[in-house]
Amino acid sequence: GENVEQHPSTLSVQEGDSAVIKCTYSDSASNYFPWYKQELGKRPQLIIDIRSNVGEKKDQRIAVTLNKTAKHFSLHITETQPEDSAVYFCAATPITGNQFYFGTGTSLTVIP
Amino acid sequence: NAGVTQTPKFQVLKTGQSMTLQCAQDMNHEYMSWYRQDPGMGLRLIHYSVGAGITDQGEVPNGYNVSRSTTEDFPLRLLSAAPSQTSVYFCASSYRTPGQGTNYGYTFGSGTRLTVV
Repeated sequence: GENVEQHPSTLSVQEGDSAVIKCTYSDSASNYFPWYKQELGKRPQLIIDIRSNVGEKKDQRIAVTLNKTAKHFSLHITETQPEDSAVYFCAATPITGNQFYFGTGTSLTVIP
Repeated sequence: NAGVTQTPKFQVLKTGQSMTLQCAQDMNHEYMSWYRQDPGMGLRLIHYSVGAGITDQGEVPNGYNVSRSTTEDFPLRLLSAAPSQTSVYFCASSYRTPGQGTNYGYTFGSGTRLTVV
């Protein structure tokens, strides 16, 4: 099955700086890549996603990029704010897949 | 529209006890799943269902049973609780099986924090 690796496991940035979280996947058939944000004690929530026919997608301060050749995708958060502090999970699924394969998460801390 | 509802929110069990974690969704989602979340290990799939009457195992199914008698409900049963099952459990659903056609990711329930002593 698919194997998703996520780095780094922890990340601290100063408020206003950018944060980048990277994920790699193993199955070239994977075609959908969502990102989830989980605040402390809360449920994971979808924040952005990208399909394999698109190289980049933006939503305000959040962007995701996808490199199909290298089989990696990244989450970019610009102008970070304290409320961006959370655990972020990447995931991947192939078109024939019956599940999402999650990375192990990145704990992001934005220092005011 | 309540989304995905999980009960209970917290539970303490003694080793060997059994219990059922409830999950219900009112979005007419075909696909439902159970994950456990442990520190440093992300979200691991326990069982999933692609529709009423159909269930299958995920990555870590041992010690758990599921059934899907209706589209709305997907209960998770712990047969004989063990300390290794101490975890946070999330139910999640989506319109279709991941990877099929239009998909907007999972909708997660609020979680059940289970402690087995």
